[in-house]
Amino acid sequence: DAKTTQPTSMDCAEGRAANLPCNHSTISGNEYVYWYRQIHSQGPQYIIHGLKNNETNEMASLIITEDRKSSTLILPHATLRDTAVYYCIVRDQGGSEKLVFGKGTKLTVNP
Amino acid sequence: GAGVSQSPRYKVAKRGQDVALRCDPISGHVSLFWYQQALGQGPEFLTYFQNEAQLDKSGLPSDRFFAERPEGSVSTLKIQRTQQEDSAVYLCASSPMPGSGVAGGVFYEQYFGPGTRLTVT
Repeated sequence: DAKTTQPTSMDCAEGRAANLPCNHSTISGNEYVYWYRQIHSQGPQYIIHGLKNNETNEMASLIITEDRKSSTLILPHATLRDTAVYYCIVRDQGGSEKLVFGKGTKLTVNP
Repeated sequence: GAGVSQSPRYKVAKRGQDVALRCDPISGHVSLFWYQQALGQGPEFLTYFQNEAQLDKSGLPSDRFFAERPEGSVSTLKIQRTQQEDSAVYLCASSPMPGSGVAGGVFYEQYFGPGTRLTVT
């Protein structure tokens, strides 16, 4: 089962920051948080990952709380092309290599 | 460069027919994954290959589902005697190293194909 909880849907105005929360209260000390997104009719695409420090790349920023029980993905200037389902994933460390997706957050960026 | 490709992109099968779905991973990628995505749901893991070895098939829903990767590159997911509940998008992903995620301080992501939409009527 997915180890994360995300809101079902969110809206954001074009050009504004989109902040997508994720709760992962049972995360263990060596588990990473990964974010993928899935644009309609495409396969999921990797965005960013982190362990305990905040991370930033050309797509987004990831803010992880000090207790690591939650995180926020930030798209600093959302565009219409960022409309997608965003998945927050805590990597299963039980010997399996799989990604366990939940239902994700459907982000709609409005003009 | 070329990404992960899947064929066919769309498949309609009558209940009871057998289907074969193909995945061409990125060249040289060691790991290959299959996922099933029902409408409105996130992808669910089916099976994992490291080269030609099928190391995890815990997600295959029944013995009607069979996957192979005989030469460690192209993979085929076969579904026998299809049923309506098999209707879904089947996603393939590959990774350059064993597994994916962070290993030895280096990150390896899963690269996904566009999926095959299977409709069983």
